[in-house]
Amino acid sequence: DIVMTQSPDSLAVSLGERATINCKSSQSVFYSSDNKNYLAWYQQKPGQPPRLLIYWASTRESGVPDRFSGSGSGTDFTLTISSLQAEDVAVYYCQQYYITPLYSFGQGTKLEIK
Amino acid sequence: QVQLQESGPGLVKPSETLSLTCTVSGYSISSGYYWGWIRQPPGKGLEWIGSIYHSGSTYYNPSLKSRVTISVDTSKNQFSLKLSSVTAADTAIYYCARLTGDLTAFDYWGQGTLVTVSS
Repeated sequence: DIVMTQSPDSLAVSLGERATINCKSSQSVFYSSDNKNYLAWYQQKPGQPPRLLIYWASTRESGVPDRFSGSGSGTDFTLTISSLQAEDVAVYYCQQYYITPLYSFGQGTKLEIK
Repeated sequence: QVQLQESGPGLVKPSETLSLTCTVSGYSISSGYYWGWIRQPPGKGLEWIGSIYHSGSTYYNPSLKSRVTISVDTSKNQFSLKLSSVTAADTAIYYCARLTGDLTAFDYWGQGTLVTVSS
């Protein structure tokens, strides 16, 4: 099993400031055969299902604002919100799909306004 | 627009079987894609339960495999989840979702349904 560990568990950032969430996998999720990292990010607002934000570690899903970006490779990944907006308050999850179809998620990072 | 809707009992007794159905609209299950179930205990994180293809091929989380059955009914454009021998630890919001074409991430989700296991 691949264990996904996120840090921090919670984060408070001022409006307009940068928010950074980290995700670490217990083994590499990079496939050299296609040069891709098998990692996705989701946003979950209270009372709503998760929403896919990013896949292949850095590709934004259609309709996702460009203030959201993903980076990293191998075992260490980052979701960055360049300028925090009030509507970005949510819990964020990373998910690996390296071992398809055995998916696993991080424990989540709660993002709040400072 | 693809839409998914979970349905089923909100209360299940311990040791009984939890049964949920996901009805898909805006897309025909028989046209392709994998479909899955994910759950979320109150205030906690996400756990993948299993996935199914329209042909009936299934994949389950090894930690739940002995208790899970996922099936598909293409005539009704639905897929279903059965989880047997439930305990309080199975209390969660249960989501159905669609996997992207390359089996990577879940791009469409239902709103979720809370199932409580209690006598």
